[in-house]
Amino acid sequence: DTGVSQNPRHKITKRGQNVTFRCDPISEHNRLYWYRQTLGQGPEFLTYFQNEAQLEKSRLLSDRFSAERPKGSFSTLEIQRTEQGDSAMYLCASIWGVSEAFFGQGTRLTVV
Amino acid sequence: KQEVTQIPAALSVPEGENLVLNCSFTDSAIYNLQWFRQDPGKGLTSLLLIQSSQREQTSGRLNASLDKSSGRSTLYIAASQPGDSATYLCAVVFSNSGYALNFGKGTSLLVTP
Repeated sequence: DTGVSQNPRHKITKRGQNVTFRCDPISEHNRLYWYRQTLGQGPEFLTYFQNEAQLEKSRLLSDRFSAERPKGSFSTLEIQRTEQGDSAMYLCASIWGVSEAFFGQGTRLTVV
Repeated sequence: KQEVTQIPAALSVPEGENLVLNCSFTDSAIYNLQWFRQDPGKGLTSLLLIQSSQREQTSGRLNASLDKSSGRSTLYIAASQPGDSATYLCAVVFSNSGYALNFGKGTSLLVTP
């Protein structure tokens, strides 16, 4: 197993466009998390899945954001009608139970 | 509100020094606490995980302690090296608010040769 994989690594998009990011977790991990991180800040929780069920969503996750985890495998995070304030690093992590969390390398989004 | 705070925000030390990074949290009811390292523009690398029932964990030159009653954890780095330069993040999973990791803002460490 090569760990948590995120694609793409970098994305530049024009304001108003939709973007989708993908996260492939460690295969046996049942929980998958999405975080957003801006420069000089710690990661901020967005949402998490236990298997295919989305169990918790942050108030940061506006109605322009949607996440899925079909069949409890990979996950996608979509941002519709992107705004400049959406520019950030989007991080994915996977965990088995309440054990050690493993993060991917992140997707750097720049909205111009 | 459950919060995680890291002090100092930045630290610069000469190579070879031992150093301590601090993490405090507002609620002693936790599942675990995890320390991460983050290099510029990269993802997070797990360093040490301390479960609620544990007092400390060690890995190589790193030692992390946990005192739930006072809401504190420390990360001790022995014999620091320039390659240790990075941002160190502390994350807490509180027992009463789901299973999200709650992060501090991190401590930016610079080890000078």
